[in-house]
Amino acid sequence: EDQVTQSPEALRLQEGESSSLNCSYTVSGLRGLFWYRQDPGKGPEFLFTLYSAGEEKEKERLKATLTKKESFLHITAPKPEDSATYLCAVPYPSGAGSYQLTFGKGTKLSVIP
Amino acid sequence: GAVVSQHPSRVICKSGTSVKIECRSLDFQATTMFWYRQFPKKSLMLMATSNEGSKATYEQGVEKDKFLINHASLTLSTLTVTSAHPEDSSFYICSAPLRQERASYEQYFGPGTRLTVT
Repeated sequence: EDQVTQSPEALRLQEGESSSLNCSYTVSGLRGLFWYRQDPGKGPEFLFTLYSAGEEKEKERLKATLTKKESFLHITAPKPEDSATYLCAVPYPSGAGSYQLTFGKGTKLSVIP
Repeated sequence: GAVVSQHPSRVICKSGTSVKIECRSLDFQATTMFWYRQFPKKSLMLMATSNEGSKATYEQGVEKDKFLINHASLTLSTLTVTSAHPEDSSFYICSAPLRQERASYEQYFGPGTRLTVT
């Protein structure tokens, strides 16, 4: 069974203090690893898809990387507006030619001014 | 990126009434959509898979007669909470997958619907 584990559960950073969030996974046949950002009272917002080990993607202060066992979301010089819960997920076949997602429990990031 | 909308964003209803929530993929077609429920400070819980042209597939423990799903077209799925009770109060989110080049599907989520049953 596919498993996704995120750490830490919560992370509190000072503004400008860079750090990384971890997502470790166990899947049979990776079909992509997704990162989402979720703000309170809103649906998850798509950030990145990574497909193969060594792949990296960047968006503003965020950079996602992937190895064969885990993915990291690096946050460089975070700002208070980066505060949110960050979710990672992997897809698995759900029949009818589509895929469901297995989610990690998320990392709640708080950036203090 | 792809856009998924939900309507309404918030709804308050009385016990015993039914509420319909719409999920639309605005700029792509989706033969499959997913409905999730999220409790405060908890992760998303998949309720059911909505399939265009066939019956929805429900996850274990989800009452199909209570949560009616209709995939009316390639861009619209609806979730109807029938005979709602206060314990049905929750945040409901839909998603739609968009096929990518590497035979994978990126899932895009709607903004969610906050249901409060009084």
